[in-house]
Amino acid sequence: AQSVTQPDIHITVSEGASLELRCNYSYGATPYLFWYVQSPGQGLQLLLKYFSGDTLVQGIKGFEAEFKRSQSSFNLRKPSVHWSDAAEYFCAVGGSGVITGGGNKLTFGTGTQLKVEL
Amino acid sequence: DAGVIQSPRHEVTEMGQEVTLRCKPISGHDYLFWYRQTMMRGLELLIYFNNNVPIDDSGMPEDRFSAKMPNASFSTLKIQPSEPRDSAVYFCASSGPRNEQFFGPGTRLTVL
Repeated sequence: AQSVTQPDIHITVSEGASLELRCNYSYGATPYLFWYVQSPGQGLQLLLKYFSGDTLVQGIKGFEAEFKRSQSSFNLRKPSVHWSDAAEYFCAVGGSGVITGGGNKLTFGTGTQLKVEL
Repeated sequence: DAGVIQSPRHEVTEMGQEVTLRCKPISGHDYLFWYRQTMMRGLELLIYFNNNVPIDDSGMPEDRFSAKMPNASFSTLKIQPSEPRDSAVYFCASSGPRNEQFFGPGTRLTVL
């Protein structure tokens, strides 16, 4: 069974500081990995995705994430946080339904709430 | 494309009433997902469709919930009868072949 762990429920950083949000996954094959962001009262917006190839992927809003197979991790990073980045961040894992039979279902982590101090 | 469209955005109803939530997926996407989000339980997958056919409804909480997808551009999630514990934000999402799900803005349901 696939699963995602986001060990940090809340994180507070100062504006301008660097950010790293942790994500660990469990998946029986090569995973597809995603980070989504949710601002209050909004739906989930896709930040970035990893399917294959280069393990460092770039996303929108200056975010990047690195896939580390040996650590089963897909941590999200940003070198300098802006106040507008305050939101909830979700990591998700899925795979090719053709191979795993699971269809296009994603398993989401429980989210990390980011607070940015001015 | 306008993205995933959901209606209504807010719904307030009384216990026992029927509630119908609507979703229009992104054109060309062949997967459609219904999720429920609450503070207590987080984001839960209720059901998903592939090419208008329900694939996995194991997340549907009970028989009061039903979902249909009569065609590629429309889906409904119905709750009958509604109960206060159904109060949540319901999201619809759609995806193509690479699992990249795009979410709608959600419907905030309040059952009094």
